[in-house]
Amino acid sequence: SQELEQSPQSLIVQEGKNLTINCTSSKTLYGLYWYKQKYGEGLIFLMMLQKGGEEKSHEKITAKLDEKKQQSSLHITASQPSHAGIYLCGAATYNFNKFYFGSGTKLNVKP
Amino acid sequence: GAVVSQHPSWVICKSGTSVKIECRSLDFQATTMFWYRQFPKQSLMLMATSNEGSKATYEQGVEKDKFLINHASLTLSTLTVTSAHPEDSSFYICNAVPADLLYEQYFGPGTRLTVT
Repeated sequence: SQELEQSPQSLIVQEGKNLTINCTSSKTLYGLYWYKQKYGEGLIFLMMLQKGGEEKSHEKITAKLDEKKQQSSLHITASQPSHAGIYLCGAATYNFNKFYFGSGTKLNVKP
Repeated sequence: GAVVSQHPSWVICKSGTSVKIECRSLDFQATTMFWYRQFPKQSLMLMATSNEGSKATYEQGVEKDKFLINHASLTLSTLTVTSAHPEDSSFYICNAVPADLLYEQYFGPGTRLTVT
């Protein structure tokens, strides 16, 4: 099965600081997705990466997929309390017949 | 954009009863739907993959006789928790994949199940 490891497990940062969350797979990623969630609520889609070396940005969030397509990072610049939540990476198997999530990273931003 | 609904959004049931959760793709056809379970402070765990017209594929450790999945049409999949116990209390969420857009993932808003 596809295993996705996220690090760190939890993170507390001061407002205005930058932070990075990592997602590592034991297998090649054929589609890497980043979501934000608050427990017990739905998922908010952030970004999707497919190509090795791909990088996408939206507002203050940037996601990258490494050339080997086994690791992705999510970087938040100048964090705000509104960025707080659980960040999840998700990936599909090569034929998209399964979709797995990483272990999650809980982010807390202190004002 | 594509919308996926879940019903009910929350449910409380007594131990021993069965509960059915519906997942509907409102404006597209989904040949595949995934079901997940999320416990407090944990990530989403894939329970099973539901394909229209065929039997669901369950992940290791998920009891197929307890969590019955039916994908009778291209817009509806149901998850029935049979003989529910308090340990089944969790947040259940579905993911529908459009038939012609495998890269697209559309998640339902989730269902919170509490078994007393």
